[in-house]
Order: sequence, then structure tokens, then C-alpha cells
Amino acid sequence: GIQVEQSPPDLILQEGANSTLRCNFSDSVNNLQWFHQNPWGQLINLFYIPSGTKQNGRLSATTVATERYSLLYISSSQTTDSGVYFCAGSDRGSTLGRLYFGRGTQLTVWP
Amino acid sequence: DSGVTQTPKHLITATGQRVTLRCSPRSGDLSVYWYQQSLDQGLQFLIQYYNGEERAKGNILERFSAQQFPDLHSELNLSSLELGDSALYFCASSVALGAKETQYFGPGTRLLVL
Repeated sequence: GIQVEQSPPDLILQEGANSTLRCNFSDSVNNLQWFHQNPWGQLINLFYIPSGTKQNGRLSATTVATERYSLLYISSSQTTDSGVYFCAGSDRGSTLGRLYFGRGTQLTVWP
Repeated sequence: DSGVTQTPKHLITATGQRVTLRCSPRSGDLSVYWYQQSLDQGLQFLIQYYNGEERAKGNILERFSAQQFPDLHSELNLSSLELGDSALYFCASSVALGAKETQYFGPGTRLLVL
């Protein structure tokens, strides 16, 4: 079946710390994406990363598709990084874009 | 700003009522998706339209329906509302069918059923 699992469920950091969020997905999932949901509820696409590594400022993501996991790295965290981080993927056997989301990692960054 | 717009931002209504949520995709995007986010179910796919045609259905209740119009905006209709329908409803869009594409999400409509 289609499974997307994230860890840890909660993460509390002090400003300036680094963190790694993990997403494990089943064999029937591909086309991994990472999203950030800010405290106001807005869902922002961070990365479309089916494989390999991408970087955007203090954020970077790596997907190892052969081992069915993806990692999101946040360096020098800021209070504005707080919110929920979701990974999501689509059905490998489909041409359609329906996304299956994990339950998210709630990140709280304290000043 | 993702370029996807949703109205209204907030909606408070009573059980048994019917509401319509509206979404305008990013310019040039042909696919529109609807997702529901609730505390117990998380983020769940409801339905996808591509260029006016329904292409995929997820966990969408029979009381819910959607359509995509010729100008590509979409509406999600929720009827006979129940307390459990209270949730954040997102619309997203992508350029084509979506399997290898980034999806861009609107700000959401927060529905509260009393």
C-alpha cells in the first residue's frame, strides 16, 4: 500500500540550531515533495525532490529513492521556521498528481 | 504568494447547510486539486480536475461535489453539513496531470460547522 511516515512528530529547537526531518515512504510512492505549513495555515511547497539533493538558502533536501527515504535539513533555524513540515508523494503507478501526505513534523523554534 | 486564490478565507455555518468554496488556479495551470485537512485525518486528497474533467477521486463524501469551469476555476460544494466537516479545505494547482510536477497550494478556506 501507499505509506508516508514522518519523524519525529515534534521537534523543539533554540534559534540557531540545526535539524533533520525524515520521511520514509513505501515502494509504491514517488515524486517526493516537502511542504511547510506556517502558523497561519498556509502550505508552501519547499522542494519537489524525487531523487538527489537540492538546496534553497538554509534549507536542503535529499531523497534516496532506492532506500525509500527523504531528509529535510534546516540549518541555523529561525523562529520563522516554526510550523509543520509535511512530506508527500504520489502513486508510482499513476500519471496523476494526487498527493499522499505524512502526518507532519511540528517544529517549534524558540528565540 | 502561490498564485492560487481561494474564497472565502473563513466560513461559519450550521449543520445541515450547504456551502460553496471557490478556487482559482495559477495562470496556465490546468489541474486543480482539493484537499481536506482535519486534526484526526490529516491532509487528505478529495478530488482532481484536469481541464474541466474529473480525473481522480479520493476520500470525498457523497455529500460533497466539485466542478471545474471553462475558465479553469473550480468550486467545491459541501451539502448537509455535519460537525465533522469542520476542517481546512485547500485547493492546489499544477501545470498538467501532476505526477511529476510541483503542486502549489492556495491559502485555504477554514470551515467551521456549528
